[in-house]
Amino acid sequence: GENVEQHPSTLSVQEGDSAVIKCTYSDSASNYFPWYKQELGKRPQLIIDIRSNVGEKKDQRIAVTLNKTAKHFSLHITETQPEDSAVYFCAASGLRHTGFQKLVFGTGTRLLVSP
Amino acid sequence: GAGVSQSPRYKVAKRGQDVALRCDPISGHVSLFWYQQALGQGPEFLTYFQNEAQLDKSGLPSDRFFAERPEGSVSTLKIQRTQQEDSAVYLCASSLVPSQETQYFGPGTRLLVL
Repeated sequence: GENVEQHPSTLSVQEGDSAVIKCTYSDSASNYFPWYKQELGKRPQLIIDIRSNVGEKKDQRIAVTLNKTAKHFSLHITETQPEDSAVYFCAASGLRHTGFQKLVFGTGTRLLVSP
Repeated sequence: GAGVSQSPRYKVAKRGQDVALRCDPISGHVSLFWYQQALGQGPEFLTYFQNEAQLDKSGLPSDRFFAERPEGSVSTLKIQRTQQEDSAVYLCASSLVPSQETQYFGPGTRLLVL
């Protein structure tokens, strides 16, 4: 089955710096790669996603890149702000034989942005 | 509109007790997922429903775990004879149709088994 690895487990940056989180996946059939932000005690919230027919996607200060050949994808946050502090999870999925998207998550990255 | 809701938000159980966790998906969403999130870990898939049909229960850790969605809307995850290792946050998510990738998560139920 699919296996997703995520690095680093913790990341501390100064406000205004960029942050990069990297994930690798094992199943070449995976075709959907979302990123979720989870604040303490809150629900995971989708912040950006990318599909396998696209190499890069950007939404304001957040961007995601995908390298299908190497089976890795990355989250880039520019001009970080203290409110970006949270745990970020990457995930991968592909339509299974039952026809649904089963998400496999990474272990998370705790991002701390210091003022 | 209303998002995914879960109840209770917190549950403390004594080892050996049975618990029932409820999920109300977004209205009209066909697909419903249960995940288990251990402390400091990412969510792990437990089971999937398409309407009332449970199509995948490969992630359920043992036969003490049982899930149902009898009318294709509200779902209940039941854990019998709880053990300490069952302590985790149980997340529910829904999506509009099975092929839709985006899953919307509920706030979770934090279960502590003493």
